Amino acid sequence: NAGVTQTPKFQVLKTGQSMTLQCAQDMNHEYMSWYRQDPGMGLRLIHYSVGAGITDQGEVPNGYNVSRSTTEDFPLRLLSAAPSQTSVYFCASSLYSGNREQYFGPGTRLTVT
Amino acid sequence: EDKVVQSPLSLVVHEGDTVTLNCSYEVTNFRSLLWYKQEKKAPTFLFMLTSSGIEKKSGRLSSILDKKELFSILNITATQTGDSAVYLCAVDRNNDMRFGAGTRLTVKP
Repeated sequence: NAGVTQTPKFQVLKTGQSMTLQCAQDMNHEYMSWYRQDPGMGLRLIHYSVGAGITDQGEVPNGYNVSRSTTEDFPLRLLSAAPSQTSVYFCASSLYSGNREQYFGPGTRLTVT
Repeated sequence: EDKVVQSPLSLVVHEGDTVTLNCSYEVTNFRSLLWYKQEKKAPTFLFMLTSSGIEKKSGRLSSILDKKELFSILNITATQTGDSAVYLCAVDRNNDMRFGAGTRLTVKP
């Protein structure tokens, strides 16, 4: 099993550009989520999904969209990048929503100039 | 407003010391409290606690949850340099996870 994979590992965007961060898991996990991590602020939940076709907002959803068309994939879209979105992004999954033993991907370091 | 507060923010100890990391929380819809260890990259799961007074143990690590006083502690005994990491506390609010800022632990030889 590859676990949770994320691409790209690094990305530099200009303000106003859009892009999609990819996340995939091969463990047949129902629950998937996206976090951003900024220095001194821990992890903040952006969006999450409890199963294919179901998504919901977390703590900091503004400026991001998600979709969950398959169990395996959970892409995060930045609609119009802003410098405030410079951060490290982690995707995570767990077997089901009540099981919080989450497996995290390696992260994507995004810089918006 | 929901919050998860960890203390101390950083801690430096020597090998063999015992450390206690603290996590207090004020959240609605509490379901469980979790501890993660983050070294250079992604966090890795340590414990999940759902009931008060239950102590989880894994080798030199143990954790207790007090749902009345709304806090948890993570104990590490006989620390090793490999324990150096950021330790994250998180609260599961019915699918919505809230993390604390973390405690950076440095263990010196």
